[in-house]
Amino acid sequence: KNQVEQSPQSLIILEGKNCTLQCNYTVSPFSNLRWYKQDTGRGPVSLTIMTFSENTKSNGRYTATLDADTKQSSLHITASQLSDSASYICVVRGDYKLSFGAGTTVTVRA
Amino acid sequence: GAVVSQHPSRVICKSGTSVKIECRSLDFQATTMFWYRQFPKQSLMLMATSNEGSKATYEQGVEKDKFLINHASLTLSTLTVTSAHPEDSSFYICSAAADSGGLAQYFGPGTRLLVL
Repeated sequence: KNQVEQSPQSLIILEGKNCTLQCNYTVSPFSNLRWYKQDTGRGPVSLTIMTFSENTKSNGRYTATLDADTKQSSLHITASQLSDSASYICVVRGDYKLSFGAGTTVTVRA
Repeated sequence: GAVVSQHPSRVICKSGTSVKIECRSLDFQATTMFWYRQFPKQSLMLMATSNEGSKATYEQGVEKDKFLINHASLTLSTLTVTSAHPEDSSFYICSAAADSGGLAQYFGPGTRLLVL
């Protein structure tokens, strides 16, 4: 069973709207959690990284939250743009290894 | 900073041939490099971890004789898919880290391999 579960698997939103992606994890011990954006046919690009003590972190229109007690994280995209269409991957680091979620595919339509 | 490149970006080869993929850290020295494989609509799967000057550590189920990894310098690691078969067709992504624990990994753009 994957230690990092993301939801939804995919979603479609209209340009300018907001959306929130979810990530639940069971990785233990916990070191940090990253959100990556992966465009089709490209490698992942880091959006945010949060450690145990951080609850929220923003990168432009992307805001990530972390609740280490419930082992949940979310990524909020504000005022979506067509270029936000991509797969968003939640990655949790334990002792030494990274555990990857399957990703949420976001499609932004005009 | 922290740029990782891969070459080639796409490769098509015949079944039975070998393909070499290069991964370079352009502006930092990568103590550790990681090789991942990603099938369509799936998450990245770690294949192996390589440290400069030593043998790679392969994940369970990954054939070390089929996926040869060489980490000859602090800025270059290569993955050679030997005797490639159609089922090896996938998206191969490397990442590089400046520390031995891979605390901060920077991903390359990936290499699309298609074996006919």
